[in-house]
Parts: sequence; C-alpha cells; structure tokens
Amino acid sequence: KNEVEQSPQNLTAQEGEFITINCSYSVGISALHWLQQHPGGGIVSLFMLSSGKKKHGRLIATINIQEKHSSLHITASHPRDSAVYICAVTPPQGAQKLVFGQGTRLTINP
Amino acid sequence: NAGVTQTPKFRVLKTGQSMTLLCAQDMNHEYMYWYRQDPGMGLRLIHYSVGEGTTAKGEVPDGYNVSRLKKQNFLLGLESAAPSQTSVYFCASSYHRDRGLANYGYTFGSGTRLTVV
Repeated sequence: KNEVEQSPQNLTAQEGEFITINCSYSVGISALHWLQQHPGGGIVSLFMLSSGKKKHGRLIATINIQEKHSSLHITASHPRDSAVYICAVTPPQGAQKLVFGQGTRLTINP
Repeated sequence: NAGVTQTPKFRVLKTGQSMTLLCAQDMNHEYMYWYRQDPGMGLRLIHYSVGEGTTAKGEVPDGYNVSRLKKQNFLLGLESAAPSQTSVYFCASSYHRDRGLANYGYTFGSGTRLTVV
C-alpha cells in the first residue's frame, strides 16, 4: 500500500462543476503539498498545508491531521483547470523529501 | 522573476554520451533536489542536497552524479547515458533558513526532457 493515496485517479467533469480530489496518507508529516502539472508542462506548487484550510482564488485545500486526510476543491471549474493534481507529503525530520501520491488526472469539458 | 531555472529544456543523447543538467535558484533556498518523472512511475528522487557542498542519494541514484559547489546551483551529471535514463527531469528547491518552519514550500523548475537513443 502506498504511503500517499489519492482518489479518484481520473475525473472528468463539465465546466462550472465543483471538484473535489482526496488525499490520504499513512505516515507522520510536517506538511502536505498540492501540486499541479499541465500536460507536457512543469510542476507548480499550489498549496503547502500543515493544518486547517487555505484558499487561493477558486482553489481551496483542507487538511485534517487527526484523520490523515486532505482535500483539494475547485469551485466553478474551467477547462484550463484540466491537469494532473498531485498530493505529496514531507516527513517530520530531515531534508523535506517529498513522498508523492499517484496523481489525479482532471479533465474539464466546456 | 524569482524561481528555479533548468537548462537545457530538451536534449537528445546517444547511448554512452555524457551531459550535465544545470539547476539554478535565486530564492536563497537551502535544499535542492533532482527528480525524474516517468509514465506509470510518477516522480522519483534521484539525489538531493541540504546545503552548499553537501549531496545525498535519493531513491534512484544509479547512473547519476551531482554537485553543489555554490548554494544557488545544483548540477546533475550523466557520465554514460543509457536508454533507461530517457525521462523528464525536474529540479526543485525548498526551505529558506531565515523564514523558519513557515517556509518549507517547494518550487519546481520547468523540466528537462531527455531522450537517450
């Protein structure tokens, strides 16, 4: 079993829908990261969370430390949100090496 | 713009050739990393560095060497390229010492697409 599990692996939705991507982890962490990668593109860090909730534009990320679970929400989804979203965690000590989930491929149709 | 810059962006090598990938960051980050991304395998850590003059092995270090002679630069070398090293390589940096625990955020470079034929 992977230390970081994401669901769903693939998600297709219509423009305007509310999107939720889930991430569960089984190890101790210092922080959880949500990353975005467009097809053939680079990797962009969306959020780093150690507790609570963060919001940036139409994106919201939450984390529940006790349940070892995080969610990434996208409100009013748009075709430009189509990308792979990757959840990753960093351990409590050491060099902050990322442990990655397998990614969620999101497709938003017009 | 502040960030992580990788060069080159694309490269084709013949088996047995050598090359160096350069990563430069201007955020005064302490930690730097080299990852490779392959279909079905996700991102895997090759080598990393926790400070100038230090390097350490990651998950898949074989066939690669690294150096961090200056804080802002992290070089990834392939001494004798093999087709199995065909991949997309990402450099990343994190941790600004003066900002304490609040700034362990990651910044990634735009990637280097390497093909070994």
